[in-house]
Amino acid sequence: GNSVTQMEGPVTLSEEAFLTINCTYTATGYPSLFWYVQYPGEGLQLLLKATKADDKGSNKGFEATYRKETTSFHLEKGSVQVSDSAVYFCALRATDKLIFGTGTRLQVFP
Amino acid sequence: DTGVSQDPRHKITKRGQNVTFRCDPISEHNRLYWYRQTLGQGPEFLTYFQNEAQLEKSRLLSDRFSAERPKGSFSTLEIQRTEQGDSAMYLCASSLTGGDPEAFFGQGTRLTVV
Repeated sequence: GNSVTQMEGPVTLSEEAFLTINCTYTATGYPSLFWYVQYPGEGLQLLLKATKADDKGSNKGFEATYRKETTSFHLEKGSVQVSDSAVYFCALRATDKLIFGTGTRLQVFP
Repeated sequence: DTGVSQDPRHKITKRGQNVTFRCDPISEHNRLYWYRQTLGQGPEFLTYFQNEAQLEKSRLLSDRFSAERPKGSFSTLEIQRTEQGDSAMYLCASSLTGGDPEAFFGQGTRLTVV
């Protein structure tokens, strides 16, 4: 079946550090892949997406590349800020619905 | 505010009671989704509608759960005879159809069954 696995958190970083949050997926076919972010007290927001192999999604300094050969969609940011502290969810779209990973909490300290 | 809105934001109920949640999607969106999120987990799909038609239901949606979208606008999710295991955040999302539409989420209704 379809599933998403992402690294457990929390991930704790100092401001301006490099961020990687790993995400791998299992799916039939070639699903669209997403990263959603949930800031404290807010709803899920789409951060970025990629719809086919080798596509790179990017937004707010975050990037992720759709790697078919490794079935991965790792999230990266070169220099994190305190305001990036949130829970990040990797997801894939399968037959019109989203399937999410368990989420990774990021804590950035000044 | 033109986003997805959910009501109530929080609900505490006694085991065995019935509860109903409401979701108002973005007005031009014809798809509406319900997800459930328990502590430390990602959202899990429950059901979705295209206009007023319920197109898919997850096996997670037991007979005690029912969802409606009678006029293709707002939706309700009812849980009958609540159990402690129903305690979770219930999320609603809406989207357009066609292509690869973005799903917009509401802030959720947090249900606590005591």
